[in-house]
Amino acid sequence: DAGVIQSPRHEVTEMGQEVTLRCKPISGHDYLFWYRQTMMRGLELLIYFNNNVPIDDSGMPEDRFSAKMPNASFSTLKIQPSEPRDSAVYFCASRGDRGMDTQYFGPGTRLTVL
Amino acid sequence: ELKVEQNPLFLSMQEGKNYTIYCNYSTTSDRLYWYRQDPGKSLESLFVLLSNGAVKQEGRLMASLDTKARLSTLHITAAVHDLSATYFCAVESLYIFGTGTRLKVLA
Repeated sequence: DAGVIQSPRHEVTEMGQEVTLRCKPISGHDYLFWYRQTMMRGLELLIYFNNNVPIDDSGMPEDRFSAKMPNASFSTLKIQPSEPRDSAVYFCASRGDRGMDTQYFGPGTRLTVL
Repeated sequence: ELKVEQNPLFLSMQEGKNYTIYCNYSTTSDRLYWYRQDPGKSLESLFVLLSNGAVKQEGRLMASLDTKARLSTLHITAAVHDLSATYFCAVESLYIFGTGTRLKVLA
């Protein structure tokens, strides 16, 4: 398996633009997570899905952020409109449902909003 | 407030020395994870601890879990430069990560 795949790896955009981040989880994993990492706030959970259903989105900072998982192999995180304070590394992770399963992280998307 | 606290936040140590990183959490949890992150890279899973008294070892790293004290430790034995990284603990029930411990091993 190729692991968790994220695209793009780097995104530079201007304030006010729409940004869409994409994630393909590991095949067979039931859980998908979106995290944001910054120096100031560390690693924060934004939202997670179980079997394509959003379970907890309490970490989504505001209405400008939205996430979808239309099927088991694809998820998107959208920011509209983007702001400079959204600049961060966004990680997607997936996990199976067995006792010893851990989260496998994708390579991340480094977002810069100018 | 639900928290996962690690200490120390920064650790600079000489090669060959031993040290322990502590992870305290404020809620009950079924699982606790340890991850490693190299600069500019993603997170890599090190250990999954499932029960009170669980101990896992991999090379020079050993992790343990005390659910009654809500404490996990990551012990480093005879550190080598390749262990330089940031180490995170994470609590399963809330998917909350600790602040991270940035470890630098000096040759």
